Amino acid sequence: QKEVEQNSGPLSVPEGAIASLNCTYSDRGSQSFFWYRQYSGKSPELIMSIYSNGDKEDGRFTAQLNKASQYVSLLIRDSQPSDSATYLCAVNGGHNYGQNFVFGPGTRLSVLP
Amino acid sequence: EPEVTQTPSHQVTQMGQEVILRCVPISNHLYFYWYRQILGQKVEFLVSFYNNEISEKSEIFDDQFSVERPDGSNFTLKIRSTKLEDSAMYFCASSDPGGAEAFFGQGTRLTVV
Repeated sequence: QKEVEQNSGPLSVPEGAIASLNCTYSDRGSQSFFWYRQYSGKSPELIMSIYSNGDKEDGRFTAQLNKASQYVSLLIRDSQPSDSATYLCAVNGGHNYGQNFVFGPGTRLSVLP
Repeated sequence: EPEVTQTPSHQVTQMGQEVILRCVPISNHLYFYWYRQILGQKVEFLVSFYNNEISEKSEIFDDQFSVERPDGSNFTLKIRSTKLEDSAMYFCASSDPGGAEAFFGQGTRLTVV
């Protein structure tokens, strides 16, 4: 049974600060890891994907993966009020790509102006 | 930019009726998915579809549900004999041939009354 856990929040940070979002997963066979952003009433929007241990940076976003600890994180630098949303961690994998994506419950982020 | 499109955006149906939710995945993608999200809850996997057949399904996806790819572009989810608890946002997603990142449509809000 694949489980993905996240703190539900809300996580409140002041504008310009770094927001740190965390996720743990239970299936050691998981291969692919994703962060999605979901605004209220909208669909999940892909922000980052990461497949190997270490850091991956894209603009203000950095994803970090530690497979030994079964831990994924997302850092948002210079947080903006427009970053206020729910951030979903998703895990995929096993023997083949294309299997289902298991989502965590999401962490609600609030960036205060 | 290619995107997943879903119709209708909102569907209201009476309990016991059948509904069909429609999706047009991104054209070169080969893996298709349906997810649902009950208000305030997490995104839940329903079914994945590859090579014209179901590749994986969750416990939620029982005999009440079916999926079909009736032509080269559409991917549908049929819900027979709808129940009040089927009220949710239903998201279609597709992923590229590598089976890596999944992109979501804007969702169909299903309300069963």
